[in-house]
Amino acid sequence: KQEVTQIPAALSVPEGENLVLNCSFTDSAIYNLQWFRQDPGKGLTSLLLIQSSQREQTSGRLNASLDKSSGRSTLYIAASQPGDSATYLCAASINTGKLIFGQGTTLQVKP
Amino acid sequence: EPEVTQTPSHQVTQMGQEVILRCVPISNHLYFYWYRQILGQKVEFLVSFYNNEISEKSEIFDDQFSVERPDGSNFTLKIRSTKLEDSAMYFCASSERTATGELFFGEGSRLTVL
Repeated sequence: KQEVTQIPAALSVPEGENLVLNCSFTDSAIYNLQWFRQDPGKGLTSLLLIQSSQREQTSGRLNASLDKSSGRSTLYIAASQPGDSATYLCAASINTGKLIFGQGTTLQVKP
Repeated sequence: EPEVTQTPSHQVTQMGQEVILRCVPISNHLYFYWYRQILGQKVEFLVSFYNNEISEKSEIFDDQFSVERPDGSNFTLKIRSTKLEDSAMYFCASSERTATGELFFGEGSRLTVL
């Protein structure tokens, strides 16, 4: 059974810092891994999708990597801003397109 | 930019009442999903839907739940007789392709069962 874990559960950094959020999954047989942003009481905004054949994806200040063999993905945020404060969720897609979510990392970027 | 829309944004209901949550997926998408998030817990898969039938459902999706695509645009989740533990945020999602496709989520419908 696929399980997804995110570490740390919460993170507080000063503005301008580069940071890394971690995601691990127990079964390497995934189709893709997707990173989402969730603001309090809001929906899930897709940030990056990495297909299983890819190693990384970049969008602006965000870079996500995928290492299937070790069951890990990281989300790198460069030059963090207060507007980046949110909960970041990773989710692994198994064979039916069903997503298995981690519990999220809540990020606070202090001005 | 195309988006998934959900209504209502918040619904309060009495235990035992029927609830219908509505979703309009992105127009060219073919695969539809419902997920839920109980407060403070992980987002959980409920059901996937393609070609007018359920593709997969989770253990949570028991006989009290049903989904329907009544017309060419709407996708609904019905809870027949709500329980206290059904209180959660319900998210609709859609994708162009299953398995490898990117899922796009709506803003969610918060259900409160009293």
